[in-house]
Amino acid sequence: NAGVTQTPKFQVLKTGQSMTLQCAQDMNHEYMSWYRQDPGMGLRLIHYSVGAGITDQGEVPNGYNVSRSTTEDFPLRLLSAAPSQTSVYFCASSGRGTADTQYFGPGTRLTVL
Amino acid sequence: DQQVKQNSPSLSVQEGRISILNCDYTNSMFDYFLWYKKYPAEGPTFLISISSIKDKNEDGRFTVFLNKSAKHLSLHIVPSQPGDSAVYFCAASGGYGSRLTFGEGTQLTVNP
Repeated sequence: NAGVTQTPKFQVLKTGQSMTLQCAQDMNHEYMSWYRQDPGMGLRLIHYSVGAGITDQGEVPNGYNVSRSTTEDFPLRLLSAAPSQTSVYFCASSGRGTADTQYFGPGTRLTVL
Repeated sequence: DQQVKQNSPSLSVQEGRISILNCDYTNSMFDYFLWYKKYPAEGPTFLISISSIKDKNEDGRFTVFLNKSAKHLSLHIVPSQPGDSAVYFCAASGGYGSRLTFGEGTQLTVNP
């Protein structure tokens, strides 16, 4: 049981490049989400999904796309990277209930030059 | 509009003493509150939670207190240990599934 896995751990991009951050979970969780962590701003929700085929925007969705074709996977796509997207990105998963604990992956540190 | 706020970016305490981390929220729809702990280069891990129908929840050295009228919660760690040194995030949810709103985090340093 690997929990929540994220790849890559580190990535450097040039402005305008695109890439996909991968997230997978093996706990059969319905709810998955992406956060970014920036100094002094905590974790901010980018996009989330309450089940396969269903996604919605969070607090800071601009510049990012997601899809949820399977229960296990929830990739985050950067369409045209900008320096403002330099951040640490965390994927999380949980059951759908309000009281269900969210389990976080180890994070991807992204630098956009 | 910061709905969950942790006003202290950092806190330093001596080993064996009490650590008190504070969190304020503005959204009355929040009905479930959580604390996460984060070590460098790792993802946040769940620490303790409390439902809005309670005012206290205890788990070993960790106790969370909720004051709904003041929209304030706090995390008490007694006794504090050097291994507790980490960033602590307060989070809240309510109204829709598991969507969490996080505070800015407080860096706790426990000195031996």
